[in-house]
Amino acid sequence: GNSVTQMEGPVTLSEEAFLTINCTYTATGYPSLFWYVQYPGEGLQLLLKATKADDKGSNKGFEATYRKETTSFHLEKGSVQVSDSAVYFCALTSSASKIIFGSGTRLSIRP
Amino acid sequence: EAEVAQSPRYKITEKSQAVAFWCDPISGHATLYWYRQILGQGPELLVQFQDESVVDDSQLPKDRFSAERLKGVDSTLKIQPAELGDSAMYLCASSLEGGQAITDTQYFGPGTRLTVL
Repeated sequence: GNSVTQMEGPVTLSEEAFLTINCTYTATGYPSLFWYVQYPGEGLQLLLKATKADDKGSNKGFEATYRKETTSFHLEKGSVQVSDSAVYFCALTSSASKIIFGSGTRLSIRP
Repeated sequence: EAEVAQSPRYKITEKSQAVAFWCDPISGHATLYWYRQILGQGPELLVQFQDESVVDDSQLPKDRFSAERLKGVDSTLKIQPAELGDSAMYLCASSLEGGQAITDTQYFGPGTRLTVL
C-alpha cells in the first residue's frame, strides 16, 4: 500500500540556517504530494503541494519538488526564522487512496 | 477568515465512559473528515462524509465509535465506551468538494485532545 516516510526529529537549527526535511514515498499510480505544518496548539495547515512529477510547490519561502525518479518530496527553506518552529507533515493522496500522512518532523529554531 | 470549529478543546474522561466531539466545518464545504492523531504520529483518517453520507469509514472502530452528519453541515463523533488507547488528538477537517478532487485543500480545526484515565 501507499506510505510516506519522513526524517525523524527533532531538528534544531539556528535562525537564518538552511533547512531540509526529507520525505520519501511509496505509491501506486500518480499521487499528489503535500506538506502540512502544525503550529503549537493549532490544527494542520496546508503549506504547499505538487500534483505531478517535476512540479515545484512553494509558499512562505518553503519549496519542495516532486521527484518521481527518487520518489521524494523534500522540504527546503533557505533561511529559517524562529516563527518557523512547528511540526511538519509530508502527505500523499491518489485516486486509489485517501490522504496518508508521515509521522511528522518537529523543527525548533534558536534565535 | 472562515475556520473549522471544534469543541471541546480538551476532554478528560474515565475508561468505559461515553464522550462526544463536535465539529462545524467551513460554510459551504461539502466534505468533512475526522482524524485521530496519536502523539508523535501523523493524523489517521477515521471517517469521511460527503454531505450527509459516509464515503469512507474503513478505519473507524465501529464497535465503539460512531459519527454522524445528519444535515450535511456539522458533525458529531462519539466514543462509547472509551478505552485507555483512545487517548489522542481528534482533528476535524473540511474541504470544498473532496471526493474525486484529490488535490482539494483540507482545512483543519484546532482539534480536541482526549485523555482517558
